[in-house]
Amino acid sequence: QSVLTQPPSASGTPGQRVTISCSGSSSNIGSNTVNWYQQLPGTAPKLLIYSNNQRPSGVPDRLSGSKSGTSASLAISGLQSEDEADYYCAAWDDSLNGEVFGGGTKLTVL
Amino acid sequence: QVQLVQSGVEVKKPGASVKVSCKASGYTFTTYGISWVRQAPGQGLEWMGWISTQTGNTNYAQKLQGRVTMTTDTSTSTAYMELRSLRSDDTAVYYCARSTSWGGSYYSDCWGQGSLVTVSS
Repeated sequence: QSVLTQPPSASGTPGQRVTISCSGSSSNIGSNTVNWYQQLPGTAPKLLIYSNNQRPSGVPDRLSGSKSGTSASLAISGLQSEDEADYYCAAWDDSLNGEVFGGGTKLTVL
Repeated sequence: QVQLVQSGVEVKKPGASVKVSCKASGYTFTTYGISWVRQAPGQGLEWMGWISTQTGNTNYAQKLQGRVTMTTDTSTSTAYMELRSLRSDDTAVYYCARSTSWGGSYYSDCWGQGSLVTVSS
């Protein structure tokens, strides 16, 4: 049982916009920033969004993050086949004094 | 370029210990912390802990307290994670990651390739 809650799956067609939600609590998302990671099959996670809405260099601007209260979301516009992957949200949890992850969302491009 | 290269596959028996290494290159080792995250087969990501490469201070996940030790060797820019009293549910891919922690922000921007640890009798 993950501390952060994500839908297990999401899907969209090429060119579409999809969003992935992440729900937490006051001890994690409510008081700290949220990050998003992408994991392609058989590879290590890759940082997509940090500090709620910041993109590392090299991440396209069709990916964006937002946070409101104890929830966050990742939006991917102009969906492409290479976006098919698992996506994880993460945040520091003050009560657990550690980083917590969502259970992951498998994105399928139809 | 920034790179973290981890040690290879390990197969251990229950009750044994494993030590995974993570060699950093392409940046000043002591300017970022190192986190360890594991992923059991078909499962999600689990944070194991963090070590400051400047001070050696550590912060371990509560469920692993007493079984895990994270260390660094700044002379070789290498981080280590040792897990003791291995159980079958410790079977996972273990990742190291370069991490930044400031204020309420904590994130990992570069990850190693992962080290598979299998625990089986």
